[in-house]
Amino acid sequence: DTAVSQTPKYLVTQMGNDKSIKCEQNLGHDTMYWYKQDSKKFLKIMFSYNNKELIINETVPNRFSPKSPDKAHLNLHINSLELGDSAVYFCASRTGTSSTDTQYFGPGTRLTVL
Amino acid sequence: SQQGEEDPQALSIQEGENATMNCSYKTSINNLQWYRQNSGRGLVHLILIRSNEREKHSGRLRVTLDTSKKSSSLLITASRAADTASYFCATDEGTGFQKLVFGTGTRLLVSP
Repeated sequence: DTAVSQTPKYLVTQMGNDKSIKCEQNLGHDTMYWYKQDSKKFLKIMFSYNNKELIINETVPNRFSPKSPDKAHLNLHINSLELGDSAVYFCASRTGTSSTDTQYFGPGTRLTVL
Repeated sequence: SQQGEEDPQALSIQEGENATMNCSYKTSINNLQWYRQNSGRGLVHLILIRSNEREKHSGRLRVTLDTSKKSSSLLITASRAADTASYFCATDEGTGFQKLVFGTGTRLLVSP
């Protein structure tokens, strides 16, 4: 009954590779997010989609490309991975369209770039 | 960076004691939320306080907000070992997209 799930949980890869992280939510939410948490635990928003449309796009390298095939899924593809991409990536979804909504977070994907 | 600051960075207390964490932010906000993150897990929403509210309670949690000082505090009363986690404040400017800006977090350790 996982509300927001991510796969894989761990991802270890070499510099220069391309990888994808998948996120699915079964909450019926319209809005989904990707966050990056670095080694110092700083958590920053990367992207947000509402009903498959991109609504937030922070200053993120072009190597990162989110894709939302439907409103229940938001995947993150990363090209030409760099050492600095090592982090934990969290997906989240949001209950509605009110500013007082709760965001529900997935368990995270720990990406290690060697 | 617009990231908020939290202090202390780490807090170690005994079970039964109260824990207070502080958050300062930089911009005008619509609301402020507190989240908990257990080690190796995702964030869990705890409580939200609107910009026109000064204090809010939820169980053992008490949150205050001072918009003139751009600061908030989270008080956990009668702490338990299970409260051991990192706590983050997150602000929303109210653009409608709920673009949360998270603080730097406080690591709380509650010893039995």
